[in-house]
Amino acid sequence: DAGVIQSPRHEVTEMGQEVTLRCKPISGHNSLFWYRQTMMRGLELLIYFNNNVPIDDSGMPEDRFSAKMPNASFSTLKIQPSEPRDSAVYFCASSPLQRSSTDTQYFGPGTRLTVL
Amino acid sequence: QQQVKQSPQSLIVQKGGISIINCAYENTAFDYFPWYQQFPGKGPALLIAIRPDVSEKKEGRFTISFNKSAKQFSLHIMDSQPGDSATYFCAASANWDGGSQGNLIFGKGTKLSVKP
Repeated sequence: DAGVIQSPRHEVTEMGQEVTLRCKPISGHNSLFWYRQTMMRGLELLIYFNNNVPIDDSGMPEDRFSAKMPNASFSTLKIQPSEPRDSAVYFCASSPLQRSSTDTQYFGPGTRLTVL
Repeated sequence: QQQVKQSPQSLIVQKGGISIINCAYENTAFDYFPWYQQFPGKGPALLIAIRPDVSEKKEGRFTISFNKSAKQFSLHIMDSQPGDSATYFCAASANWDGGSQGNLIFGKGTKLSVKP
């Protein structure tokens, strides 16, 4: 299995531009998570989906952030408009089904976003 | 109450030494405590995990010690090797009815450097 796939791996954009991050979860996994990692705040859960349905988006910082999961094999995280403080590494993770607290989450390699 | 506090922020250990990373939590509903390992440029990956019904779990050179009454748990890396140099995250989660819907709450991470 190829694992969780994220694209792009690196993104540099200017303030005010729209940014779209993409994720392909592991085949057969029904839960998908978006995290943001910064030195100051560590790993923060932004949103997660079960069976393509958003379950908890309380971590989404503000309305500029939105996430979709149109099908079981694809999800996007969009930032519009982007700001310098959004600069971070964004991770996507998937797990078989988040029905138990012990389900392992498998992380992708991340997208390093830099907003100038 | 949802926080997991991790220390130290960074750790330097000589090859062959013991690395110890500590975490503390407040939420008594947490019932699963994994440790994730992250190498530069990669996403976090599950290393070892423990449930609160045992006080210790060992897998090779890695041991989790768990103190339920103190609400603390720690990772011990015996015979530390340069290849163990990475960032380590503790995490905690609760069952669905514990308020966090099974989501992982991560500590801020510990950057471990093992010197040859």
